[in-house]
Amino acid sequence: AQSVTQLGSHVSVSEGALVLLRCNYSSSVPPYLFWYVQYPNQGLQLLLKYTSAATLVKGINGFEAEFKKSETSFHLTKPSAHMSDAAEYFCAVGRGGNNRKLIWGLGTSLAVNP
Amino acid sequence: NAGVTQTPKFQVLKTGQSMTLQCAQDMNHNSMYWYRQDPGMGLRLIYYSASEGTTDKGEVPNGYNVSRLNKREFSLRLESAAPSQTSVYFCASIWQGNTDTQYFGPGTRLTVL
Repeated sequence: AQSVTQLGSHVSVSEGALVLLRCNYSSSVPPYLFWYVQYPNQGLQLLLKYTSAATLVKGINGFEAEFKKSETSFHLTKPSAHMSDAAEYFCAVGRGGNNRKLIWGLGTSLAVNP
Repeated sequence: NAGVTQTPKFQVLKTGQSMTLQCAQDMNHNSMYWYRQDPGMGLRLIYYSASEGTTDKGEVPNGYNVSRLNKREFSLRLESAAPSQTSVYFCASIWQGNTDTQYFGPGTRLTVL
């Protein structure tokens, strides 16, 4: 069975600092992995996704994530945080096959301090 | 292209009242979803529709019913609202494949007193 663990429900960084949001997954089949972002009072939108092509995936707004099979991780990074990055971030794993439902992590709230 | 739209945006109900949350997408997507979001609990799937005419239960279906009215519309009904159903409800859709991006609506904030 698949599962997703996001380490740290709250992360705080200074503006200009590295952003690192952690996601570990378990999956019995090759996973499809997603990061979504939710800005205050909005719906979720896709940041990036891994679908078994390149292991380093680049997304919108300067974010990227690296799929590491040996570590079962898909951590999200951004070299330099901006105030506008303050949001809730969700990692999700696809169940594979024809199952189009996702398993969601509990989310990480990112605060960016001036 | 409006994407995924949801109505209403806000709603307050009394315990025992019923209501229907509406969702529509104009992207010709095949699959649609209803989630609820509660603090510290992430997103939980209520119901899912793989295609027009089919629906399937998710993790937390109790107290809810759904209708996939046509390809565009997927409604969520609370027959007898309870305070435990106070939440933010999101509708989402994907075109077809299991690697496709889910597109989300703006959400409905429901309070049950």
